[in-house]
Amino acid sequence: DIVLTQSPALAVSLGQRATISCRASQSVSTSSYNLMHWYQQKPGEQPKLLIYDASNLASGIPVRFSGSGSGTDFTLTINPVQADDIATYYCQQSRELPRTFGGGTKLELK
Amino acid sequence: EVKLVESGGGLVQPGRSLKLSCAASGFSFNDYWMGWVRQAPGKGLEWIGEINQDSSTINYTPSLKDKFTISRDNAQNTLYLQMSKLGSEDTAIYYCARAPSVTTHFDYWGQGVMVTVSS
Repeated sequence: DIVLTQSPALAVSLGQRATISCRASQSVSTSSYNLMHWYQQKPGEQPKLLIYDASNLASGIPVRFSGSGSGTDFTLTINPVQADDIATYYCQQSRELPRTFGGGTKLELK
Repeated sequence: EVKLVESGGGLVQPGRSLKLSCAASGFSFNDYWMGWVRQAPGKGLEWIGEINQDSSTINYTPSLKDKFTISRDNAQNTLYLQMSKLGSEDTAIYYCARAPSVTTHFDYWGQGVMVTVSS
């Protein structure tokens, strides 16, 4: 299985940049696609898609969210962080079976 | 509007079975892959499996392959998860989700249904 590693938590100030990383145990990229996706989950709610294929913004998601990376290293950036962004963020790969999620990064206010 | 509504959860005794349903609306159900994801209390997301449009391809995470069965009824716009031999480790919120194709993300999620395995 492809293991996705995320830092458990990240503390950030409102209005600053947050950078959340996800490292895969093997490449999740093909010749055409980077098959890494990002979700936001707030307490008591279902996950919401933010970024797909590493860098594509999902429908209705604010432009302060962006994604980058290829191969094994990926980043979700939130700039600037707003109060509504306090949540847990998960990466997920769809390159291989079984699809796997990272352990999640809880974004906290500094 | 895309809607996914799970049902069928609740309290179940260890060793028993339970079948979850996910009613889909607002899109052409038979054009999409569908999947199940679960989340144990206070834990992260766990991918359970996925099914293609005509049920000819169903993939599972290996540890659940012998316990869980995913199916769908395109005429009823409904996705199912049959769970057997349930144990306390299966206590979780179960989400159904839509995937545009086999190697893609989940673009819409249901609100989830709680399953509690306890005597």
